[in-house]
Amino acid sequence: QKEVEQDPGPLSVPEGAIVSLNCTYSNSAFQYFMWYRQYSRKGPELLMYTYSSGNKEDGRFTAQVDKSSKYISLFIRDSQPSDSATYLCAMRSFQKLVFGTGTRLLVSP
Amino acid sequence: GAVVSQHPSRVICKSGTSVKIECRSLDFQATTMFWYRQFPKKSLMLMATSNEGSKATYEQGVEKDKFLINHASLTLSTLTVTSAHPEDSSFYICSARGSAWGTDTQYFGPGTRLTVL
Repeated sequence: QKEVEQDPGPLSVPEGAIVSLNCTYSNSAFQYFMWYRQYSRKGPELLMYTYSSGNKEDGRFTAQVDKSSKYISLFIRDSQPSDSATYLCAMRSFQKLVFGTGTRLLVSP
Repeated sequence: GAVVSQHPSRVICKSGTSVKIECRSLDFQATTMFWYRQFPKKSLMLMATSNEGSKATYEQGVEKDKFLINHASLTLSTLTVTSAHPEDSSFYICSARGSAWGTDTQYFGPGTRLTVL
């Protein structure tokens, strides 16, 4: 079993839709949870960072962590074509960051 | 957010030559730097972790003599691909971690696309 599971997609939605991206994990030692966005042929860009259960909001993005279920989510409101990218969840216990496989999101105009 | 730069962004070289890729943290001191490799439509594969002034720790299956990592200062790490072969062609991404903007997390460079002919 992988430490972090993420559906690779692609996930196709129309512009304006609410997008829900999810990851599950098996290692209860993970304390820090991140979401990165990666455009094609670019490095990952940090979107959200959290270390506790609950919700964290930043503009159109909301990160949700449920440590009891070992489940994290990223919600994107009012999705835009420019949001089309691969979204990687990542989590860390002490040193090493463990990534999900990434979900490819396509937002059509 | 914190900025990590990488140079060059793209390099094409002949088989057998060596290529050096630089990674710099521009506005924070990186206590730890990481080097990743990414194949098309795949997630990032950690190659090695380095702390400033000490030897890098390589992941299983990564040849330390082929992928030389130097972390000379808190803002600079280099990856040298020695005697490159076509199978080394890939997207290499560095990442730096340090206390920046109130968080202790990793920021990534823009990546270097290496093509070995």
